[in-house]
Amino acid sequence: GQQLNQSPQSMFIQEGEDVSMNCTSSSIFNTWLWYKQDPGEGPVLLIALYKAGELTSNGRLTAQFGITRKDSFLNISASIPSDVGIYFCAGPNAGGTSYGKLTFGQGTILTVHP
Amino acid sequence: DARVTQTPRHKVTEMGQEVTMRCQPILGHNTVFWYRQTMMQGLELLAYFRNRAPLDDSGMPKDRFSAEMPDATLATLKIQPSEPRDSAVYFCASGWRGDTLGHNEQFFGPGTRLTVL
Repeated sequence: GQQLNQSPQSMFIQEGEDVSMNCTSSSIFNTWLWYKQDPGEGPVLLIALYKAGELTSNGRLTAQFGITRKDSFLNISASIPSDVGIYFCAGPNAGGTSYGKLTFGQGTILTVHP
Repeated sequence: DARVTQTPRHKVTEMGQEVTMRCQPILGHNTVFWYRQTMMQGLELLAYFRNRAPLDDSGMPKDRFSAEMPDATLATLKIQPSEPRDSAVYFCASGWRGDTLGHNEQFFGPGTRLTVL
């Protein structure tokens, strides 16, 4: 089945630093979604990407849909303590686009030191 | 502010007891997904529905788990009998899909943290 590989698995950074994480797939995706999960809460959708090469921003967050359609990147600029959490990438399963079923990456755990 | 709601938020029960978790999808959404999250396995899809019909429950242990949508505003996930290995956080998510159109975004509820002793 489809797999999404996220890297890095975890990051420890200082407040104010920029963060970059990525997600790769063995197969082509036509949608990339990025979620953030705060401790004790459900994942919250941050950014949705629908076109190869698309670059989309949401505040200090910027995500890109790779041209090969097999990868995506999420960048966070000037990190703050509330950026702490787990970041997931996700995309629709092959053959499952009519159902909206998603495959999720393993997540990147972000820790921000004040 | 449209959100997916889930009840209860926390549940502690003893092995062998029945557990029922409830989810209210966002009004107007026609797809509902149940996930289980553990440290070891991450997010696992258990079952999903479109227009209240179950499309896939292959991720669910059939002998003890069951999922239903009695109506468009309520989805339930039941475990009977519960076992310690069922301890996890269970999430419900909703979205919208037509036959060929629609977005892939799913919107998650806050989860039910289940502990089976």
